Amino acid sequence: ETGVTQTPRHLVMGMTNKKSLKCEQHLGHNAMYWYKQSAKKPLELMFVYNFKEQTENNSVPSRFSPECPNSSHLFLHLHTLQPEDSALYLCASSQSVAGGYNEQFFGPGTRLTVL
Amino acid sequence: GQNIDQPTEMTATEGAIVQINCTYQTSGFNGLFWYQQHAGEAPTFLSYNVLDGLEEKGRFSSFLSRSKGYSYLLLKELQMKDSASYLCATMDSNYQLIWGAGTKLIIKP
Repeated sequence: ETGVTQTPRHLVMGMTNKKSLKCEQHLGHNAMYWYKQSAKKPLELMFVYNFKEQTENNSVPSRFSPECPNSSHLFLHLHTLQPEDSALYLCASSQSVAGGYNEQFFGPGTRLTVL
Repeated sequence: GQNIDQPTEMTATEGAIVQINCTYQTSGFNGLFWYQQHAGEAPTFLSYNVLDGLEEKGRFSSFLSRSKGYSYLLLKELQMKDSASYLCATMDSNYQLIWGAGTKLIIKP
């Protein structure tokens, strides 16, 4: 148990569906992250939020839409996805976005399959 | 460009020692992290190195050479539960983590 929870753990959706992933951290951190993890590939940083403000968007397609209503909650809204978007989506949090020793705590991820 | 290289897969025997290497090229350097990830689970933090040398933490040790762009994770007295993927990541000048693809470690009895 890392203090970061994600729901749902598994999601299957069609290309025309709209769904949302939820992340919650109970660590009192100020920064939250979305990552995409595909088989045998490095973790890809998608979005970074610091004190609820988006600080990074690594050229992510607009079919992925993040939302951060407060420092404890992070959402990823999905619509009109493609089969190549199938992957494990990981949420992480850290005390801040800067500073050397800035350990990130990860949630268990949502395994997304797009049909 | 930024690049992290680590072996795709390694196999070792229970009770033995294994060394997982990681080489990196990144724009700026604010430290190197090792994470462990069991199948279907969250990555969990193992170690952080920012200065050259060896950091020891129980059965796990991590080494860094900044001049060579090189790190390794050393696992001693291997146990079956050590079967997992080990992820190397460097923190660049913008404090973003740049990740390797991970090394899948298989422990055999």
